[in-house]
Amino acid sequence: DVKVTQSSRYLVKRTGEKVFLECVQDMDHENMFWYRQDPGLGLRLIYFSYDVKMKEKGDIPEGYSVSREKKERFSLILESASTNQTSMYLCASSGSREGYEQYFGPGTRLTVT
Amino acid sequence: TQLLEQSPQFLSIQEGENLTVYCNSSSVFSSLQWYRQEPGEGPVLLVTVVTGGEVKKLKRLTFQFGDARKDSSLHITAAQTGDTGLYLCAGAKGYALNFGKGTSLLVTP
Repeated sequence: DVKVTQSSRYLVKRTGEKVFLECVQDMDHENMFWYRQDPGLGLRLIYFSYDVKMKEKGDIPEGYSVSREKKERFSLILESASTNQTSMYLCASSGSREGYEQYFGPGTRLTVT
Repeated sequence: TQLLEQSPQFLSIQEGENLTVYCNSSSVFSSLQWYRQEPGEGPVLLVTVVTGGEVKKLKRLTFQFGDARKDSSLHITAAQTGDTGLYLCAGAKGYALNFGKGTSLLVTP
């Protein structure tokens, strides 16, 4: 079975802190994704990566950056956390085919105070 | 960009009832996927439909892809409390997926 793990299930940070969210997948998938999920807004794509060191902006990249130094690991970085970044963050991975099924991690519930 | 509209947004039914959830778009997708998400967890893939008119069955769940590949439906027969969750449809656009906002289903005993 595909396994996608995220470094924390719950995280509380203060405004202005730098926040790192880590995601690891064990299926040798080429593509990895970061979403945030908010009530009434659904899942929104922040960034995705289709190869090591490659990244593409999603629908809402402002305030975020990403890093993919190894194929299995994709990090989401909040350079200076703000309260409007309080959300559920979901990481996913998929194989190389376009539109391939995505496999999600359990999510990180981030609260910025 | 929200290209997929799901309806209804919320649905509360009793065990044993049947229900249908809809996913509509003005865009054509190469494939469409359905996921189920339980509270506090990530979405889990249920099915992928690829061919226009395709029907797939997963036990009591029946998925249909519209002939024009713009819409899909999910029908649940004799719902059980274990079917409770958020049902998400997602259309493939290149490597990424566009998700609908979901249908929140509550099945009560």
